[in-house]
Amino acid sequence: KAGVTQTPRYLIKTRGQQVTLSCSPISGHRSVSWYQQTPGQGLQFLFEYFSETQRNKGNFPGRFSGRQFSNSRSEMNVSTLELGDSALYLCASSGQGWGTEAFFGQGTRLTVV
Amino acid sequence: AQTVTQSQPEMSVQEAETVTLSCTYDTSESNYYLFWYKQPPSRQMILVIRQEAYKQQNATENRFSVNFQKAAKSFSLKISDSQLGDTAMYFCAFISTGANSKLTFGKGITLSVRP
Repeated sequence: KAGVTQTPRYLIKTRGQQVTLSCSPISGHRSVSWYQQTPGQGLQFLFEYFSETQRNKGNFPGRFSGRQFSNSRSEMNVSTLELGDSALYLCASSGQGWGTEAFFGQGTRLTVV
Repeated sequence: AQTVTQSQPEMSVQEAETVTLSCTYDTSESNYYLFWYKQPPSRQMILVIRQEAYKQQNATENRFSVNFQKAAKSFSLKISDSQLGDTAMYFCAFISTGANSKLTFGKGITLSVRP
């Protein structure tokens, strides 16, 4: 069974640009969540999608958005990039909810210069 | 709001010895799950162990076990017979039941296993 796949693995962008990250969950999983990981703030929840609907959202500015497609693949978009957006972005998928095991991808390392 | 606290930023243990990683949490919920995740240098977060709050019995997975003290809101991880491959960051995490719940992580602890 293939794991959670995140693309790209590494990304370098310039301030002011926008970026789209992709996450393909484990086959059959309907829940996809996104996290931002930085040394200073640790792991912070961005949002969760379940069956194409955003089910929960963290405390991030509107520059951070996401969506989920009918095949459960999810994309996260960050517009007008800032230096502080440099982080490891992790995606996790689970079958129904968090009581079941959540599987993480290897993340996308975004560097904003 | 739920919070998860891991007060030890770093720990070191000799190979084959036992180490305990501490975690406390704060919540007003009665139904929830607690997790320990491992993040090695490869960055892949791996679930180590899970505990349902309604279960009094402490969860065990091979060399990993937890000491779950619900009243004290404490959830520590014990690693027995430490191996070099256990070197990683370990995160304690909490999630309440319910449709709008979200996984809340502690800051993590860096564990180094010395040969």
